[in-house]
Amino acid sequence: KQEVTQIPAALSVPEGENLVLNCSFTDSAIYNLQWFRQDPGKGLTSLLLIQSSQREQTSGRLNASLDKSSGRSTLYIAASQPGDSATYLCAANTDKLIFGTGTRLQVFP
Amino acid sequence: GAVVSQHPSWVICKSGTSVKIECRSLDFQATTMFWYRQFPKQSLMLMATSNEGSKATYEQGVEKDKFLINHASLTLSTLTVTSAHPEDSSFYICSAITGATEAFFGQGTRLTVV
Repeated sequence: KQEVTQIPAALSVPEGENLVLNCSFTDSAIYNLQWFRQDPGKGLTSLLLIQSSQREQTSGRLNASLDKSSGRSTLYIAASQPGDSATYLCAANTDKLIFGTGTRLQVFP
Repeated sequence: GAVVSQHPSWVICKSGTSVKIECRSLDFQATTMFWYRQFPKQSLMLMATSNEGSKATYEQGVEKDKFLINHASLTLSTLTVTSAHPEDSSFYICSAITGATEAFFGQGTRLTVV
């Protein structure tokens, strides 16, 4: 059974810092891995999708890497801004899409 | 990206009544749809996997007779919460996927049972 965990559970940083969010999954036979953000009381916004054959994906200030063999993905956020404050979720796709435990990020001015 | 429409976005119902939530893929055919529920400050928990034309596969601990899932076409799946009780109050969200591609999510439905 796929289990997905995220570290840290919560993070509070000043504006401008570069951040690293970690995602670990137990079943490495994934098709892909996705990163999402969720604002309080809202649905999901897809950030990045990494296929199993890829090592990383970039979108603006976001960069996600994937090491399938070790069951890890990392989301880098460069030059963080208060607008980045949200919960970040990773999800591993095998024949089901299983979500991680989430990282609650707060960026203060 | 592809669009998944979920309706309603919020609903309040009386205890003992049933509520139906619809999930539609608007511009693609979804061979598989997933239903999740999310309690406050928690992550999304997979409830069931729904394939078009076949019975849904429920995760352990999810009552299939309480959460009825129908996937009648490649663009529509429904979740019916039967005989709802206050403990069923939650955020329900659907996802549609085609093969091993990106998953697209509905906007979610906030259910409050009073």
